[in-house]
Amino acid sequence: AQTVTQSQPEMSVQEAETVTLSCTYDTSESDYYLFWYKQPPSRQMILVIRQEAYKQQNATENRFSVNFQKAAKSFSLKISDSQLGDAAMYFCAYRSREVGLHGANSKLTFGKGITLSVRP
Amino acid sequence: GAGVSQSPRYKVAKRGQDVALRCDPISGHVSLFWYQQALGQGPEFLTYFQNEAQLDKSGLPSDRFFAERPEGSVSTLKIQRTQQEDSAVYLCASSPGTGVEQYFGPGTRLTVT
Repeated sequence: AQTVTQSQPEMSVQEAETVTLSCTYDTSESDYYLFWYKQPPSRQMILVIRQEAYKQQNATENRFSVNFQKAAKSFSLKISDSQLGDAAMYFCAYRSREVGLHGANSKLTFGKGITLSVRP
Repeated sequence: GAGVSQSPRYKVAKRGQDVALRCDPISGHVSLFWYQQALGQGPEFLTYFQNEAQLDKSGLPSDRFFAERPEGSVSTLKIQRTQQEDSAVYLCASSPGTGVEQYFGPGTRLTVT
């Protein structure tokens, strides 16, 4: 079974600064997807960024980028030019690439999340 | 277009009552997932539908939990004889394919007193 670990429960960043959120995972699979989701107080989970394990290039999405280290099973999220609207809980998630029999591997496995606050 | 909607947004139930939580996925989305999110935790998988077929129910914590999606669109998660440990946010997500990109609803916060 796959596990996702987010060991930092809280982080704080000054507006306009850069912050990095850490995530490690454990799997015996060689091909998979990794995600970062944002959950503001409204509770709606919003996809921030996605990385395919077979791609060596780190994904970027505007101010958001990842540092994917496959051998180390590490997947950190960097937020540049932090904005007040970035304040939320952030979850790292894993999904197998192979769906498996009857879709058994379609689910997302989440970490416990990290609360990011942004200081004005 | 409309996103995933869930109702009710909040539900308070007395211990022992039955509850039904509804999820309206994005139109045309084949896959539908239910997750349970305890306070301060990440979501945990409950069950997965592809159209009307429930392909994976390995995450349902007990036989008091039951989910259905009879016409391959709207889904209902039913919890019988609710217990305090059932208090959580229940999230629904839908996907156009097999679930690589999942679009989440706002969740239903269930409080069992």
